[in-house]
Amino acid sequence: QVQLQESGPGLVKPSGTLSLTCSVSGGSISSYDWWTWVRQSPGKGLEWIGQIFYSGTTNDSPSFKSRVTMSVDRSKNQFFLTLTSVTDADTAVYYCARETGDYSHYGGYYFDSWGQGTLVTVSA
Amino acid sequence: DIQMTQSPSSLSASVGDTVTITCRASQGISNQLAWLQQIPGKAPKPLIYATFFLQSGIPSRFSGSGSGTEFTLTISSLQPEDFATYYCQQYFSHPRTFGGGTRVDIK
Repeated sequence: QVQLQESGPGLVKPSGTLSLTCSVSGGSISSYDWWTWVRQSPGKGLEWIGQIFYSGTTNDSPSFKSRVTMSVDRSKNQFFLTLTSVTDADTAVYYCARETGDYSHYGGYYFDSWGQGTLVTVSA
Repeated sequence: DIQMTQSPSSLSASVGDTVTITCRASQGISNQLAWLQQIPGKAPKPLIYATFFLQSGIPSRFSGSGSGTEFTLTISSLQPEDFATYYCQQYFSHPRTFGGGTRVDIK
């Protein structure tokens, strides 16, 4: 089973840039899956940020108003999230996850593996 | 964006009970509906995908049903480890969206 592990600074200053890495083990990032970022603000629900394919193709949520950049390093089996111009509202646990294809039933890509999450606090 | 609405937002139940959680999508999602379980302090755990199908290792007391815009998660014979928050999620379109969650706690 593939495993994912987030890493990055736990504290970011307001107006700064949040940068996270997700390291994938037990599987190849070059598989036909999407690699995804989701966050959860304290005491709140889940919010999908965006996803990246190994080729570099991305989809992201309009909620982030072009503040999000995602990239992938196939040689290191890692993918990355950058979120610019952060505010208090970006304080959250950030998860990386895999969306894998459903080729047997109704199509689409569904979550099957998640990292443990990393708390990022935005504070001066 | 597709809005996902769960009900109830919370419920209390006893070990051995059967509980049902409902999720409504704001438009049809072609059964591209998943359920996830989250225990406090832990990452979400995928339970069900494609409305009906259990992820690997998930016990058969969990079941999903539905079509169109109305979907249901049923947990039969609730076990102590099932007390958690449950989220539905659509993967029919971007952005992926989640329901607000249903917290299941011990009566």
